[in-house]
Amino acid sequence: QSVLTQPPSVSGAPGQGVTISCSGSSSNFGAGYDVHWYQQLPGAAPKLLIFGGNSRPSGVPDRFSGSKSGTSASLAITGLRAEDEATYYCQSYDTTLGAPLFGGGTKLTVL
Amino acid sequence: QVHLVQSGAEVKNPGSSVNVSCRLSGGTFRSYTVSWVRQAPEQGLEWMGRTTPIPGISMSAQKFQDRITIIADDSTNTAYLELSSLKSEDTAVYYCARDANGPGRRDAFDIWGQGTRVTVSA
Repeated sequence: QSVLTQPPSVSGAPGQGVTISCSGSSSNFGAGYDVHWYQQLPGAAPKLLIFGGNSRPSGVPDRFSGSKSGTSASLAITGLRAEDEATYYCQSYDTTLGAPLFGGGTKLTVL
Repeated sequence: QVHLVQSGAEVKNPGSSVNVSCRLSGGTFRSYTVSWVRQAPEQGLEWMGRTTPIPGISMSAQKFQDRITIIADDSTNTAYLELSSLKSEDTAVYYCARDANGPGRRDAFDIWGQGTRVTVSA
């Protein structure tokens, strides 16, 4: 099935850490395609946060890290800050769709 | 610094078409592919299609194939999205985004436009 499944929401207190999961399938992660993560602040365009599973573009703090294993991926955020409150999307390429594919997004609330 | 600057908000009637432009400043399209991604109100991101100015190849998601045109003008560093036969469900913010180049970056989008709000309403 050509979907990337994320939890709708996660939350954590300032200073704590959270993990956001992204479940794929044999037609995307399982086929060897990379996972990328985006952060979308309220009212703003998405921003590339992690590419190629666990690489950060210049300027992204190392509090953000990614991993991928088999048909699943995850984004970890440590030392939560108020400005991390945003929606996070995973993304890959799907061979069945023949197109890039986004997860449904996970809203992070910093308590 | 490279930026993508999109055209302004549009309000359209059902059945009409909309054109959204996306100009690259501080760089050139020549080496890159530009994608279009939309986001309906309170919804997630949906990839629509992409164009590579050189050699002028475009492709789109099957869902839109009958009514989408995506082109890029390399001489003006501008990409265009045209969506026809608009329906209320096409109400969304439309983003252009540059496909990243380099190892590990395949199908990642590293630079995004500010978004263009398209409202389809009678």
